Amino acid sequence: AQSVTQLGSHVSVSEGALVLLRCNYSSSVPPYLFWYVQYPNQGLQLLLKYTSAATLVKGINGFEAEFKKSETSFHLTKPSAHMSDAAEYFCALGITGGGNKLTFGTGTQLKVEL
Amino acid sequence: EPEVTQTPSHQVTQMGQEVILRCVPISNHLYFYWYRQILGQKVEFLVSFYNNEISEKSEIFDDQFSVERPDGSNFTLKIRSTKLEDSAMYFCASSTGLAGTYEQYFGPGTRLTVT
Repeated sequence: AQSVTQLGSHVSVSEGALVLLRCNYSSSVPPYLFWYVQYPNQGLQLLLKYTSAATLVKGINGFEAEFKKSETSFHLTKPSAHMSDAAEYFCALGITGGGNKLTFGTGTQLKVEL
Repeated sequence: EPEVTQTPSHQVTQMGQEVILRCVPISNHLYFYWYRQILGQKVEFLVSFYNNEISEKSEIFDDQFSVERPDGSNFTLKIRSTKLEDSAMYFCASSTGLAGTYEQYFGPGTRLTVT
């Protein structure tokens, strides 16, 4: 069975500070991992994906994430937070093969303060 | 840029009524999904659909739920007799299913309120 754990349901950073959102996964087969962002009253937008190529993946809006198999982690980072980054972020896990479901973490609400 | 669309954006219904939520997936995608998100909780998988049949469903997706692709563009989720606990945001998603491109693209959601 697959599972995703996001540590910290709420993270608050100052504008310009480093953003670090944590995601750990459990999977019996090689996983595919994704970060999605949800702005208030909107749907889920794909930020970035890991699909077994490069372990450091870059996404939109300056975000990146590193797949670490030894730590079963896929943490999301951004060097400098912007007010517009305030949103909820979801880590999701999929497995090989088209059409397989995504298993989501519980989400992390990011707050960016002046 | 192609996107998944969903209608309506918000639906209010009374307990016991049938509702149909509609989605138009991205046109060249082959796999379609429904997920739901109860307020304050995580996004949960309901069902996946490929080649005109269900490929996987969760334990949430019981006999009260059904999905259909009535034509070449729409993908619907029907709840036959709604319960209070069906109140949630329902997301439709689609993916190409091509090797190496397993990301799913989500629509904006339909907020279902059962009273």
